[in-house]
Amino acid sequence: GAGVSQSPSNKVTEKGKDVELRCDPISGHTALYWYRQSLGQGLEFLIYFQGNSAPDKSGLPSDRFSAERTGGSVSTLTIQRTQQEDSAVYLCASSPGSRGDTQYFGPGTRLTVL
Amino acid sequence: GQQLNQSPQSMFIQEGEDVSMNCTSSSIFNTWLWYKQDPGEGPVLLIALYKAGELTSNGRLTAQFGITRKDSFLNISASIPSDVGIYFCAGQTLLRGAQKLVFGQGTRLTINP
Repeated sequence: GAGVSQSPSNKVTEKGKDVELRCDPISGHTALYWYRQSLGQGLEFLIYFQGNSAPDKSGLPSDRFSAERTGGSVSTLTIQRTQQEDSAVYLCASSPGSRGDTQYFGPGTRLTVL
Repeated sequence: GQQLNQSPQSMFIQEGEDVSMNCTSSSIFNTWLWYKQDPGEGPVLLIALYKAGELTSNGRLTAQFGITRKDSFLNISASIPSDVGIYFCAGQTLLRGAQKLVFGQGTRLTINP
């Protein structure tokens, strides 16, 4: 596709359940980023991939959060045993490389944990 | 973690007015970026600033990278209804091979026709 796509667009889950959020970056982009945006806040960096490896996982808020990327393309962000404070919009961005390239954002997945 | 202080948090203006918003940081950034986010969408890059003191325009938008590399402002002239949205500043550094972006809290712009 022409841009970064994310699915699902909305996810409502019960506390304690696991969720998987998917990101399809722009074709050919080697760098992929995950961010979290809480209500009324700016974006908070979670994790970065260069190819399939994640050199920087420093933003993951707890060990309940994990992410993987396969084939240098699709990435999945997994949140285990969701908590209400995990409710937020999760945004994915990709860029052609990692150094100094513009990041292009997807529309996000709105996660609501009841 | 790092955070940028963006102000104002919200603005209510009349169509045709000029708008100004700014960001400050205690840290130095190599690049300053300004994004706009519409409801249900991801942020879209408006302007990128790469050199301290740089003043850059993009149509009715003008942004400057502060001399100290710790601040930036964005001006919008002659506002129109489609300018409504949330504007974010972001500072960029390279850390462990990653292009790290640190975002401000956003400025929500509302325009009365």
